Amino acid sequence: KAGVTQTPRYLIKTRGQQVTLSCSPISGHRSVSWYQQTPGQGLQFLFEYFSETQRNKGNFPGRFSGRQFSNSRSEMNVSTLELGDSALYLCASSLENTDTQYFGPGTRLTVL
Amino acid sequence: SQQGEEDPQALSIQEGENATMNCSYKTSINNLQWYRQNSGRGLVHLILIRSNEREKHSGRLRVTLDTSKKSSSLLITASRAADTASYFCAASGNRDDKIIFGKGTRLHILP
Repeated sequence: KAGVTQTPRYLIKTRGQQVTLSCSPISGHRSVSWYQQTPGQGLQFLFEYFSETQRNKGNFPGRFSGRQFSNSRSEMNVSTLELGDSALYLCASSLENTDTQYFGPGTRLTVL
Repeated sequence: SQQGEEDPQALSIQEGENATMNCSYKTSINNLQWYRQNSGRGLVHLILIRSNEREKHSGRLRVTLDTSKKSSSLLITASRAADTASYFCAASGNRDDKIIFGKGTRLHILP
């Protein structure tokens, strides 16, 4: 089975722009979670989608949003980028969110 | 939501020694998982221990779970240079709960 894929792997944006990141889960996995990882804050939970519905959400501003498609692929969007949004964004898929999570390689976002 | 908090934050040991990392969480759990992350990459699942289990082994890894103390430990025996990484625990409740990762333990194996 193919693993979790994330695109793009690297991204450079400027403040005020918006960005869309994509995640393709392992085939058959319906739960997709997103995390932001920064050196100072560690891994912070953004949101989890299950069968196209957002089931859980972390403590992030409304500039961070996501969605899941019928094939379980997920996208997250960050609008009006700020310098502090520079981070590694990780996506993980699982059969159910209580099960083993399989992580993608991440998207490294740099905001200038 | 559940919370995993690892301890210590950083650990340096000589190759061949054993490394022990601890994790504490706040409420009742369904299972607890340990993950490894090599620098700048995605996390890799190591082991999952269910709430009704007390100990689990996988190769050089040994995980214990004490639900009365709401804590878990990960022991890596006979450490190798390739074990240098960050290790995270994640406590999971029911399916409506978020899985929250701690800030991790940075393990450095010295040659």
